Amino acid sequence: NAGVMQNPRHLVRRRGQEARLRCSPMKGHSHVYWYRQLPEEGLKFMVYLQKENIIDESGMPKERFSAEFPKEGPSILRIQQVVRGDSAAYFCASSPDRVWREQYFGPGTRLTVT
Amino acid sequence: QKEVEQNSGPLSVPEGAIASLNCTYSDRGSQSFFWYRQYSGKSPELIMFIYSNGDKEDGRFTAQLNKASQYVSLLIRDSQPSDSATYLCAVITNDMRFGAGTRLTVKP
Repeated sequence: NAGVMQNPRHLVRRRGQEARLRCSPMKGHSHVYWYRQLPEEGLKFMVYLQKENIIDESGMPKERFSAEFPKEGPSILRIQQVVRGDSAAYFCASSPDRVWREQYFGPGTRLTVT
Repeated sequence: QKEVEQNSGPLSVPEGAIASLNCTYSDRGSQSFFWYRQYSGKSPELIMFIYSNGDKEDGRFTAQLNKASQYVSLLIRDSQPSDSATYLCAVITNDMRFGAGTRLTVKP
């Protein structure tokens, strides 16, 4: 399967714990985007990364959230000290080697904070 | 005004009919336009993208773009029950912005 991969698919964390979400882009894609979707709401852009670079993080909350896309390995979205309001579906998408072209989504990680 | 607006629906059409989904956007500088389909509990799936004014057809789907009026639409011909889903309009200006989606129900 050469599609976008995300893991874990479901993640349960207690308030105050850390959540780490992983995304491997589609083969041949070097642009990665993270989105958050709250229940019954639309997708909200969070961050856009290329290998070793954060290009646009205008949608990221200023505190507790960070993202990286290292030279080797998947992109990681990290949420520190999670709160109940962080419960959502987090989707990763990737696009080919051109900025802001069509994006293909992974299956998502559903984060539940208890 | 929201950057990307869609009627939330639900939009209900009988099987075999044409479903028409509309989307308006606020930024005249927007350059790329996309339609995604999202089944409940699943991830968005790219259906169509369009960059130039006019119509673009792919099978039963036609995307229409009118930059002067700042709207983009999606027509689904011969609608099937399997088309029942939420359809998301997305627009790229500086980044990708999504509408809240239109829920489509195709009744057998």
